[in-house]
Amino acid sequence: AQSVTQLGSHVSVSEGALVLLRCNYSSSVPPYLFWYVQYPNQGLQLLLKYTSAATLVKGINDFEAEFKKSETSFHLTKPSAHMSDAAEYFCAVRPSGAGSYQLTFGKGTKLSVIP
Amino acid sequence: DSGVTQTPKHLITATGQRVTLRCSPRSGDLSVYWYQQSLDQGLQFLIQYYNGEERAKGNILERFSAQQFPDLHSELNLSSLELGDSALYFCASSVGEGVGLEQYFGPGTRLTVT
Repeated sequence: AQSVTQLGSHVSVSEGALVLLRCNYSSSVPPYLFWYVQYPNQGLQLLLKYTSAATLVKGINDFEAEFKKSETSFHLTKPSAHMSDAAEYFCAVRPSGAGSYQLTFGKGTKLSVIP
Repeated sequence: DSGVTQTPKHLITATGQRVTLRCSPRSGDLSVYWYQQSLDQGLQFLIQYYNGEERAKGNILERFSAQQFPDLHSELNLSSLELGDSALYFCASSVGEGVGLEQYFGPGTRLTVT
């Protein structure tokens, strides 16, 4: 079974500082990976996805993530944090083959941005 | 706005009762997924439908059931409700089942069981 581990349930950064949210996956074959963001009282919005094309994936709002097979990681970064980035971020995984399409989510990382 | 709609937004009910949550996928999307988000379990996949057929089941209790109708909207039925069923229930949709197709999430239904 696939799983995702997000290191740090809560991360605080200063406005303008680098954002780094960590995600490690467990899978026998490289899966598809996703990052979603959830603002308070809202649904989940897709930030970016990795589907075995380029290992460096760019998403919305200047977020990007790099797939590193050797480290089984898919960390999310943003060069400069904005106050509007404060939200909860979820890393998710699904098998890369056919037959199973549901997402398995990590427990989430709540990002706080300090002015 | 993802294009996925869910009703009701909030639901408060008592233990032992039965409720129905409704989801309308994005126009043209054939797949519907239900997820439960709770403080202790996090986000968990419940069940998936594709064009009216059940395709996959996750951690869905026997007290819960779902269906997808010919117009592609879906309903999640929760019965004999317990306090522990209090959670946010999300519906997501995707165009099909092909690889890499992202899922678009609705705003969720917050269920409170008292």
